[in-house]
Amino acid sequence: QKEVEQNSGPLSVPEGAIASLNCTYSDRVSQSFFWYRQYSGKSPELIMSIYSNGDKEDGRFTAQLNKASQYVSLLIRDSQPSDSATYLCAVNMRAGGTSYGKLTFGQGTILTVHP
Amino acid sequence: DTEVTQTPKHLVMGMTNKKSLKCEQHMGHRAMYWYKQKAKKPPELMFVYSYEKLSINESVPSRFSPECPNSSLLNLHLHALQPEDSALYLCASKPGGQGYNEQFFGPGTRLTVL
Repeated sequence: QKEVEQNSGPLSVPEGAIASLNCTYSDRVSQSFFWYRQYSGKSPELIMSIYSNGDKEDGRFTAQLNKASQYVSLLIRDSQPSDSATYLCAVNMRAGGTSYGKLTFGQGTILTVHP
Repeated sequence: DTEVTQTPKHLVMGMTNKKSLKCEQHMGHRAMYWYKQKAKKPPELMFVYSYEKLSINESVPSRFSPECPNSSLLNLHLHALQPEDSALYLCASKPGGQGYNEQFFGPGTRLTVL
């Protein structure tokens, strides 16, 4: 089992629709979860972080965390063509008991929003 | 200043060359990271510096040599690289210590090894 798994894309949604991106993780004690957006040829950009069970909203983005199910998701409402990118789920995992941990990424989901 | 900068943006080098990548941040972050990213793959951790000390080396070949001269600066020295080392090299930083762990990435250096 991979440490962080994302729903295999690519995902294509029409403009204005809700895009739903999902991620599961293997380390039950993980505490920090992140979503990064990466445009082709660019570096990852942090768009959401979530640390507690439940929903966290920021503009058109909502992150959802369920630690019991080891599941984290990202919803993008009113999707725009400019949202077309690869979305990376990242989980901060333990690294030998250190305080800074290790960010483990999923394989990414390619999202295309078509007009 | 709320960003991580990296130089150069692009680098082409031969297998016998020695070159260095530079990363700088002025956000007071105390953990800095080097990642390697191949096309269509997620970033792969190489090194972690915490409070200017090397904390994690993910079994990276010795032809990659990291250096952290001070809390704002991180270098990656390259020597005798192979064509398969061609990739996007990303630097990231985060506030040190326990607690929230948001990492912020620089724009990356696109490396091509001939």
